[in-house]
Amino acid sequence: QQQVKQSPQSLIVQKGGISIINCAYENTAFDYFPWYQQFPGKGPALLIAIRPDVSEKKEGRFTISFNKSAKQFSLHIMDSQPGDSATYFCAASMQPFSGGYNKLIFGAGTRLAVHP
Amino acid sequence: EPEVTQTPSHQVTQMGQEVILRCVPISNHLYFYWYRQILGQKVEFLVSFYNNEISEKSEIFDDQFSVERPDGSNFTLKIRSTKLEDSAMYFCASNTLAGGTDTQYFGPGTRLTVL
Repeated sequence: QQQVKQSPQSLIVQKGGISIINCAYENTAFDYFPWYQQFPGKGPALLIAIRPDVSEKKEGRFTISFNKSAKQFSLHIMDSQPGDSATYFCAASMQPFSGGYNKLIFGAGTRLAVHP
Repeated sequence: EPEVTQTPSHQVTQMGQEVILRCVPISNHLYFYWYRQILGQKVEFLVSFYNNEISEKSEIFDDQFSVERPDGSNFTLKIRSTKLEDSAMYFCASNTLAGGTDTQYFGPGTRLTVL
């Protein structure tokens, strides 16, 4: 129930194309869904995040679509660029009622390669 | 921009030896975490730390692991007797819930190689 399932494992997209990465979860207590971007040899960096009270969030070329009833969320990268080539992780966490720490449960990751 | 720092960037040790991985979280953050990433696999939660005590630990975080905040800035992960399967990237992260943000900021990681 604590798992977050991510697909595909790897993705190749041509420059200018749309990259789509999907995640699914089971635990309905999750209430925070971030996407992290990781370049080789670096730590994960927050890209964009969403809460379940909205169905979509857009920041520049990056959009999260969230389907609460299906317990799925996805990352869309519009106009993909070679510089977007990285590993993308979806994650989920639940905010304790009293506030406080929120461990992240990560998906398995998607290695994106954007070809020129 | 403030960032989480970690030292060393790479640690090589012999099986059975003790290692201490160091992290300096962002200065006004209150919650601290260790995660690990075995090569090619997902990032896994190890432990969270708040108010000088462990808030939660995963099943990976057994008696061989300990964490400490020895002063106002450092946050350390100690592995008492390393095993081959401890070889991984270890990431420190921190956040603050001030302003309602949940963002965890990750350090660049320490690559631990156990021989």
